Amino acid sequence: GAGVSQSPSNKVTEKGKDVELRCDPISGHTALYWYRQRLGQGLEFLIYFQGNSAPDKSGLPSDRFSAERTGESVSTLTIQRTQQEDSAVYLCASSLGTPGGEQFFGPGTRLTVL
Amino acid sequence: GEDVEQSLFLSVREGDSSVINCTYTDSSSTYLYWYKQEPGAGLQLLTYIFSNMDMKQDQRLTVLLNKKDKHLSLRIADTQTGDSAIYFCAESGGNNRLAFGKGNQVVVIP
Repeated sequence: GAGVSQSPSNKVTEKGKDVELRCDPISGHTALYWYRQRLGQGLEFLIYFQGNSAPDKSGLPSDRFSAERTGESVSTLTIQRTQQEDSAVYLCASSLGTPGGEQFFGPGTRLTVL
Repeated sequence: GEDVEQSLFLSVREGDSSVINCTYTDSSSTYLYWYKQEPGAGLQLLTYIFSNMDMKQDQRLTVLLNKKDKHLSLRIADTQTGDSAIYFCAESGGNNRLAFGKGNQVVVIP
């Protein structure tokens, strides 16, 4: 596709359930990023992939959060035992991986934990 | 650490200029960015400035960087209704992660 896509666009889940969020980056982009945007807030960095490895996981808020990337393409962000404070828009971005290179953002997945 | 501050709300009349300000703390920031977020849409990169520059102009957009005060501003000339959005400044220290401010909501009054 022409841009970064994410699925689902909306996800409503019950507290305690696990969720998986998917990101399809722009073809050829080696770098992939996950951010979280809480209501009325800026974006918080979660994790960065270069290829299939994650040199920077420092933004993951707890061990309930994990992410993987396969084939230098699709990435999934998994949140286990969701809590209400996990409710946010989860944004994925990809870039060519060069320093300062533009990050192209997907439309996000809005997660609501009841 | 990285910390980016922005004021929250700006109302401006169509045709006037808008100025949005941002301060940051990371003196090692290499690139500074302005992103635009419209309702229901993803983040769009508007412009960026390299840390060794003081000013960058791109059509209606002017970015000013005061590295000594760690202050970044975005001026939008001849503001249009399509400029209504939330504007985020962000910094990158070359480690590929972006640190974002909380955003400025700009409302353009026709």
